[in-house]
Amino acid sequence: QKEVEQNSGPLSVPEGAIASLNCTYSDRGSQSFFWYRQYSGKSPELIMSIYSNGDKEDGRFTAQLNKASQYVSLLIRDSQPSDSATYLCAVNGNQFYFGTGTSLTVIP
Amino acid sequence: GAGVSQTPSNKVTEKGKYVELRCDPISGHTALYWYRQSLGQGPEFLIYFQGTGAADDSGLPNDRFFAVRPEGSVSTLKIQRTERGDSAVYLCASSWTGGAYGYTFGSGTRLTVV
Repeated sequence: QKEVEQNSGPLSVPEGAIASLNCTYSDRGSQSFFWYRQYSGKSPELIMSIYSNGDKEDGRFTAQLNKASQYVSLLIRDSQPSDSATYLCAVNGNQFYFGTGTSLTVIP
Repeated sequence: GAGVSQTPSNKVTEKGKYVELRCDPISGHTALYWYRQSLGQGPEFLIYFQGTGAADDSGLPNDRFFAVRPEGSVSTLKIQRTERGDSAVYLCASSWTGGAYGYTFGSGTRLTVV
């Protein structure tokens, strides 16, 4: 079992819609959870971090954490074409593990 | 510096050769990490430095890979007897602490072994 699992997609949503990205992790001792955005040919960029159960909102982005279910999600409201990228879930446990990423395409 | 700097940005080498990849972290960041990323995959952990010492090198795939950070700032990833399977983007990241607040990545070195 991989430490962090994501649906690789691709996920396509129309412009203005909500994009929902999901991630599960295996290490129950993990304390810190992150979402990175990676444009094609570029390095990952940190966009959200969450440390406690519940929701954390930052502009159009909302991260959700459920430690009991070992589940992290990212919602992108009012999706824009510029949001088209691969979104990587990362979990800080014994090591800093990344998922394989979900490819998101926002269709104008 | 203002960001994490990696050099070279691209490196093409012949199978069997030795390569060095350099990472200059954000000034003051004590933690430094090396990852490699293959096409369509997430970053794969290689090694983590806290200061000058390797706090965790469990991700190094074999003894052809070695990394140093002699003065607690710049780090060099060294790969001996390169193989075609070593071709990937090698990413360096740094942070103030042990990653509890996330990392800042450099732009990576694309290594191609031919």
